[in-house]
Amino acid sequence: SAVISQKPSRDICQRGTSLTIQCQVDSQVTMMFWYRQQPGQSLTLIATANQGSEATYESGFVIDKFPISRPNLTFSTLTVSNMSPEDSSIYLCSVARTEAEQYFGPGTRLTVT
Amino acid sequence: AQSVTQLDSHVSVSEGTPVLLRCNYSSSYSPSLFWYVQHPNKGLQLLLKYTSAATLVKGINGFEAEFKKSETSFHLTKPSAHMSDAAEYFCVVTMGRRALTFGSGTRLQVQP
Repeated sequence: SAVISQKPSRDICQRGTSLTIQCQVDSQVTMMFWYRQQPGQSLTLIATANQGSEATYESGFVIDKFPISRPNLTFSTLTVSNMSPEDSSIYLCSVARTEAEQYFGPGTRLTVT
Repeated sequence: AQSVTQLDSHVSVSEGTPVLLRCNYSSSYSPSLFWYVQHPNKGLQLLLKYTSAATLVKGINGFEAEFKKSETSFHLTKPSAHMSDAAEYFCVVTMGRRALTFGSGTRLQVQP
């Protein structure tokens, strides 16, 4: 299994500012992902966080808006830049040891005013 | 590309009656399939998963799902609904590189 923690658990931020979300895993994992869940919606994959190289972004998400770091196999950060109210969402970190072994963090609930 | 369609956005049942949440998938290879549940203001919880072993998968809290390749379906069932089952349910398929594609979700209401 894998235990994932995220910081902060929630935050309220002002428009135009940036927030960095941290994801820590209790063991080394190769595959780490960031998802977004907008209010009342399902989860959408933002990007794959690659260790030692640039993240791989899904369609509709760009590095300038959602820069991601992955300095090692147990840690990643997602920054939500120049925030607007539309960025209000839950952001979730997940890891996958295999295709069938998927684990999710508790999420970071972000509100932008 | 992999995709998943949850056929009902809302399902309402009476306590003690069966639950059926429908899910169809599309995949260019043999995928792994999951059902997750999300209670209000809570995190995601894995109910069950299919990974090319037995086609009838049993999960937690009395839920089970059957993988039917011919119908490309992975419907979630429970014989008798409980009030605590009221939540949002997501059918999920792997994207072939361990990332996941989530269905749009089904909100289950359980009436007393």
